[in-house]
Amino acid sequence: DGGITQSPKYLFRKEGQNVTLSCEQNLNHDAMYWYRQDPGQGLRLIYYSQIVNDFQKGDIAEGYSVSREKKESFPLTVTSAQKNPTAFYLCASSRGGEYEAFFGQGTRLTVV
Amino acid sequence: AQKVTQAQTEISVVEKEDVTLDCVYETRDTTYYLFWYKQPPSGELVFLIRRNSFDEQNEISGRYSWNFQKSTSSFNFTITASQVVDSAVYFCALSEAWGAQKLVFGQGTRLTINP
Repeated sequence: DGGITQSPKYLFRKEGQNVTLSCEQNLNHDAMYWYRQDPGQGLRLIYYSQIVNDFQKGDIAEGYSVSREKKESFPLTVTSAQKNPTAFYLCASSRGGEYEAFFGQGTRLTVV
Repeated sequence: AQKVTQAQTEISVVEKEDVTLDCVYETRDTTYYLFWYKQPPSGELVFLIRRNSFDEQNEISGRYSWNFQKSTSSFNFTITASQVVDSAVYFCALSEAWGAQKLVFGQGTRLTINP
């Protein structure tokens, strides 16, 4: 099946630790995105990548880092510098700007 | 800056009623895209529709219809004869027409269809 796979579904992190969220797609899409969703709010863009080895900051990139070494993969690292990391994280991909984005099932991160 | 407003935080209706979800947007771009996504309890966003800013024709897909009015910067979504399976959070979103699809989302409307 073609789609976007995010793992893990649930993640718990201790304060001060870095954690990496996985996102893999087999849709052969060039563009990939990371969004953050907080309760009762819409999604906000963290980072995006239009091509391998290139990525750009979104609206709320502080405390996060990404890499794009392969077309299929776009992992997100939540660093200890992120002040309030507890949230639902969604990865997406698209063929390009004019096409709809496809989303993964999300990773719910909780800081304990 | 781009902005999307969904003023209705929650809507609750009885099955078979019609329901309209409102979306108002702000952008300085003359060319842009508007989207509606559905988020069921499982969490992933499901694409429903994309509309180019030059295409103001209303669209109907089964029980779903969309009313795009550029004059009022609105892109409303109507579900006719609602069903329990329509219960979800619905998001309206806006993106630039060129380059990466950086979606700007509204706050979402939680729709509950009661049997």
